[in-house]
Amino acid sequence: SQKIEQNSEALNIQEGKTATLTCNYTNYSPAYLQWYRQDPGRGPVFLLLIRENEKEKRKERLKVTFDTTLKQSLFHITASQPADSATYLCATGDMRFGAGTRLTVKP
Amino acid sequence: NAGVTQTPKFQVLKTGQSMTLQCAQDMNHEYMSWYRQDPGMGLRLIHYSVGAGITDQGEVPNGYNVSRSTTEDFPLRLLSAAPSQTSVYFCASSKIQGATAGNTIYFGEGSWLTVV
Repeated sequence: SQKIEQNSEALNIQEGKTATLTCNYTNYSPAYLQWYRQDPGRGPVFLLLIRENEKEKRKERLKVTFDTTLKQSLFHITASQPADSATYLCATGDMRFGAGTRLTVKP
Repeated sequence: NAGVTQTPKFQVLKTGQSMTLQCAQDMNHEYMSWYRQDPGMGLRLIHYSVGAGITDQGEVPNGYNVSRSTTEDFPLRLLSAAPSQTSVYFCASSKIQGATAGNTIYFGEGSWLTVV
């Protein structure tokens, strides 16, 4: 069956470091991958979308990669801040979601 | 600009009761959808609509009904609530179906439902 998985349920890092979150998909070839941020008690908010023919996409301190050989997307937050603490969800273009990774950035 | 508005925010139901979760968007989006979010699982699609008068089932439709009489509104009905329907429900809208460049998906703030 088609699956989209985020390997880490939680990730704790120190302020200023780069956070790297992983999203893997199996039995599937999505044309797009996207990343959302979800704060406690709130709905997901769209961050970035990357096409299968794009290797990398950037937006301010955020960077997303898409590796169709590894069937994986990586989401990076550079110079992380406590305000970046949230759950991050990956999803395919047809809106299949991973379970999310809860990121905590400690001062 | 209100975006996607869901009501109620919180609700407690008894097993067997029925209720409707409301969803409205003011962006003139054709595509609307309902998801449920459970711990350890990704958002799962319940029902969706590609336009007024058109609805279809998603991944987990059993126990839920929808209708789309206007472009703005997409209510989700629980016919006879069961404890397994305890969850957080999110409504989403976008111009068209599917995430592509230029077609951002907007989510509501969620409705927390507990069935006892």
